[in-house]
Amino acid sequence: GQQVMQIPQYQHVQEGEDFTTYCNSSTTLSNIQWYKQRPGGHPVFLIQLVKSGEVKKQKRLTFQFGEAKKNSSLHITATQTTDVGTYFCAEDSGGYNKLIFGAGTRLAVHP
Amino acid sequence: NAGVTQTPKFRVLKTGQSMTLLCAQDMNHEYMYWYRQDPGMGLRLIHYSVGEGTTAKGEVPDGYNVSRLKKQNFLLGLESAAPSQTSVYFCASSSGTSGTTGELFFGEGSRLTVL
Repeated sequence: GQQVMQIPQYQHVQEGEDFTTYCNSSTTLSNIQWYKQRPGGHPVFLIQLVKSGEVKKQKRLTFQFGEAKKNSSLHITATQTTDVGTYFCAEDSGGYNKLIFGAGTRLAVHP
Repeated sequence: NAGVTQTPKFRVLKTGQSMTLLCAQDMNHEYMYWYRQDPGMGLRLIHYSVGEGTTAKGEVPDGYNVSRLKKQNFLLGLESAAPSQTSVYFCASSSGTSGTTGELFFGEGSRLTVL
């Protein structure tokens, strides 16, 4: 089964509201990656987190890696309609960049 | 620079038929992967390859075979298609070079329906 659990499964927000998705694991993660998939599209890499407690920002997106490296979050400030899509976290399972994906959080943004 | 190209993009099969999905990458990547995506289940790894001539099983390998005869190509075969294999299939590649991130580059997907 999946080694990373992602919540919530679905989030509906009004444009301008904030959004957060969480990724949790029962085991310590070597690193975690985040991807975005637009409706009808393919997953696109957003970021990789490696260090304990790491925080990275990309414009309105903030990514965090927990101190124990067992959880991660993606926060979007002031959502826009262009943020619509499904956000996946993924962990490298056993090397070779062999990623195991969470089930994803689907974000709907209403104008 | 095309990146990762999958063919065909759409296919409808009858139960028991066979088919092959082709993935080609032009980035000289060592690692290649096949995933399937079903509603509510994210992406699940079927098979992967860490170099020309090598293949290995992922999370859900049953009913599929793969081959990597050339570095740039990774083929996914269904010998006897079943309705449970109706899905969207994504191929991906990754550099594998020390010092690079583990970023996966995905193709646009192949939508397979098995009747």
